[in-house]
Formats: sequence, C-alpha cells, structure tokens
Amino acid sequence: DQQVKQNSPSLSVQEGRISILNCDYTNSMFDYFLWYKKYPAEGPTFLISISSIKDKNEDGRFTVFLNKSAKHLSLHIVPSQPGDSAVYFCAAGRAYSGAGSYQLTFGKGTKLSVIP
Amino acid sequence: NAGVTQTPKFRVLKTGQSMTLLCAQDMNHEYMYWYRQDPGMGLRLIHYSVGEGTTAKGEVPDGYNVSRLKKQNFLLGLESAAPSQTSVYFCASRLSGSSYNEQFFGPGTRLTVL
Repeated sequence: DQQVKQNSPSLSVQEGRISILNCDYTNSMFDYFLWYKKYPAEGPTFLISISSIKDKNEDGRFTVFLNKSAKHLSLHIVPSQPGDSAVYFCAAGRAYSGAGSYQLTFGKGTKLSVIP
Repeated sequence: NAGVTQTPKFRVLKTGQSMTLLCAQDMNHEYMYWYRQDPGMGLRLIHYSVGEGTTAKGEVPDGYNVSRLKKQNFLLGLESAAPSQTSVYFCASRLSGSSYNEQFFGPGTRLTVL
C-alpha cells in the first residue's frame, strides 16, 4: 500500500512560469513533510519542509502548501529555471511516535523539465 | 566537511557473490539509513540505525545485513547477491533530537548483479 503518492511521473514547464508538483498521502499519522530534489548521478538533497501545524512554508522561489483535510501537499516553484530540472521526491514522517519517528516514507518522484 | 560519502561508486557482481557497501558521515549524526532506488519505485528503506551498535529493519530488508560498529560508519552487506538487487543504493544520515531534522544523502552506489 503506497502511503505517499506522486501521481505525475513527469512535468514540463516553460522557463519563468510556475511549476506545481503534487503529493498525496494516506496515513493520517504523518505530521511533517519534506521535498527533496535529485539530479542524475547524485544523491537527493533537501529542499523544503512543512509541519502539520502549518499550511504554508516559503523559502525563496519555493513554497510548499499543505491541505491536511485533503491529505495533499504541493510544491510551487516560481519562477521556474532550467536548473530546476530534476526529479522531486515528496517524503512524509511521524514526529512523535517512537520507532516511526526515525523513518521517512518517500513518493516515487516527479521528473520536472524546465524548458528554456 | 565531506558530509555523507559512499564507497564504492559502482560495482558489478555475479549472482551469488558477496560484497559490502560502506557509508561514512562526518557530521556526528546519530541516525543512519540505507535506501535503494529502482526505476519508478522511489526510495525504499532497507535498514536503519539510531545509534552505534543498533540496527533495525526497514521496508525491504530481505537479502541484506547491516552493521554500525562505529558512529560514523554504516555498512550494508549482501551475502549472496541476486539480480533483483541490481539498484542504486543511497546512504543517509540525520541528527537525533528533533524529528523535523532532514536526512542528508550520499551520492549513491550503482550496483549491477549479473
């Protein structure tokens, strides 16, 4: 059972436009969420996170929105740049539940291509 | 400060051979993790460790063993490699304390089992 779902395997966006990457989760015990970015032949790098007590977190061009009732989060990149072309992974964790708090559950990723 | 490093970067094995992947971190992190990434499958947790001398199973532990004899190192072993273990393996580490601390990843090891 996939607890974190990224239903779009790929997304193409024109440079300068907004990129919106979506993520859905099924486990209501998740209470914090992270986005990672991955370039080919490199490890994932942390991009931005949000806890369940917030509905928005912003860091420069990157904003993550969380809709707890819908169990949905999205990553907005504005404006998109060619260097943003990468695979983006959504991840979810449980902050206060013993052994579960050590782990993250990852989605399958969305490949973003920003076209110059 | 090298962060998380992994050795080797690439390896080709024959079915039945054994090998050990080494992960090292210089950030004094308590928690360390081994993941595998397969096409269309995202990152799946194999084993993890919450401190020196401790290990625990993740989502896909079968066919792998791990050891954490030193805080800075986390070893992943394949005793008898199978083609299904062809994958890219990532190690990660994280500070203890706040559960909101992100995991830092190494560059990966690409393993092919023939």
